[in-house]
Amino acid sequence: AQTVTQSQPEMSVQEAETVTLSCTYDTSESNYYLFWYKQPPSRQMILVIRQEAYKQQNATENRFSVNFQKAAKSFSLKISDSQLGDTAMYFCAFMYNDMRFGAGTRLTVKP
Amino acid sequence: ETGVTQSPTHLIKTRGQQVTLRCSSQSGHNTVSWYQQALGQGPQFIFQYYREEENGRGNFPPRFSGLQFPNYSSELNVNALELDDSALYLCASSSDWQETQYFGPGTRLLVL
Repeated sequence: AQTVTQSQPEMSVQEAETVTLSCTYDTSESNYYLFWYKQPPSRQMILVIRQEAYKQQNATENRFSVNFQKAAKSFSLKISDSQLGDTAMYFCAFMYNDMRFGAGTRLTVKP
Repeated sequence: ETGVTQSPTHLIKTRGQQVTLRCSSQSGHNTVSWYQQALGQGPQFIFQYYREEENGRGNFPPRFSGLQFPNYSSELNVNALELDDSALYLCASSSDWQETQYFGPGTRLLVL
């Protein structure tokens, strides 16, 4: 069974600085998808970034980028130039037939 | 383009009752997935509907059931409610069963 582990329950970062959130997963499959979702206190889950496992190039979306290490089964999220609006729960998710989520990392951006 | 919507936003039920939660998928999407998110945890997959057929189910008992309609909207039904069913229920739609899922705002269910 696929599992997703986020080892950092909470993190904080100063506004304008860079922070990296960690995620590891376990699977025997070779073709799958990985996601980072953000859930602000308003509770709506918002897609941050998506990575296809068959692509070697790391995905980027503006200030958000990932470090995808397929052999190590690692998928970290880097947030550059952190903004107050980045404060939220961040969930790493693995999708093969269905989607499995990690327990989340609570990120606080401090002014 | 309308995003994913869910109703109601909040609901209070008592143990043993039945509840129906509703989800309207994003325009052009034919797949709906349902998740249960307990407080302080990540979402847990309940089931997925693809073109009106169940297309996968997580580790939830049969009292959790669903439907998808021809317009691809969906319902989640929970019978014989238990206290542990108290959670945020999230619906997500996608353009196909393995495509990116876009979430609705959720329904907060409290079982007393």
